[in-house]
Amino acid sequence: NAGVMQNPRHLVRRRGQEARLRCSPMKGHSHVYWYRQLPEEGLKFMVYLQKENIIDESGMPKERFSAEFPKEGPSILRIQQVVRGDSAAYFCASSPRAGKDAEAFFGQGTRLTVV
Amino acid sequence: SQELEQSPQSLIVQEGKNLTINCTSSKTLYGLYWYKQKYGEGLIFLMMLQKGGEEKSHEKITAKLDEKKQQSSLHITASQPSHAGIYLCGADRERNQGGKLIFGQGTELSVKP
Repeated sequence: NAGVMQNPRHLVRRRGQEARLRCSPMKGHSHVYWYRQLPEEGLKFMVYLQKENIIDESGMPKERFSAEFPKEGPSILRIQQVVRGDSAAYFCASSPRAGKDAEAFFGQGTRLTVV
Repeated sequence: SQELEQSPQSLIVQEGKNLTINCTSSKTLYGLYWYKQKYGEGLIFLMMLQKGGEEKSHEKITAKLDEKKQQSSLHITASQPSHAGIYLCGADRERNQGGKLIFGQGTELSVKP
């Protein structure tokens, strides 16, 4: 059973370009969570999605950032018009269900560098 | 201040020594997760604790949850270089949102051979 797969592992974008980060959850997992890790801030929750629905986007910036988890295919975190401050490691986690006994497994992350 | 405080922030131990990392929450916990992260890599799931007094072990790592104190500890027995890395505790604040976690700042562990 493959773990959570994220790609690309590394992404370099120029300021103003778009970044697309992909996350395939573990088999059988329908709940996906995106996190951002900045060196001085630690790991912060961004958005929680279940198939075709955004459940909680309270941690995601209101502008330029969007996320989706379509019926088929991976979850996508999209950052439009990237700025230097978007440089960070972006992690995706998946779990088989909601609820307090749900184990959450993380992918290897995508390291975004904005130049 | 952080909602989830880890101590110490960093730790250097001699191989073979025991060590403990603490994670204290300022708010109610519905679940407490421990992960390990190597620099530049993802988070490896170690353990999840839900109930007060619960204790889990995996190989030489033991974690306990003291729900009343809103605190968890991670204990490593006879540390090895392979234990080196950053240990992160994550807290589930909302009963029905499983993987939505608040994380501590991490404890960086170095093990000297």
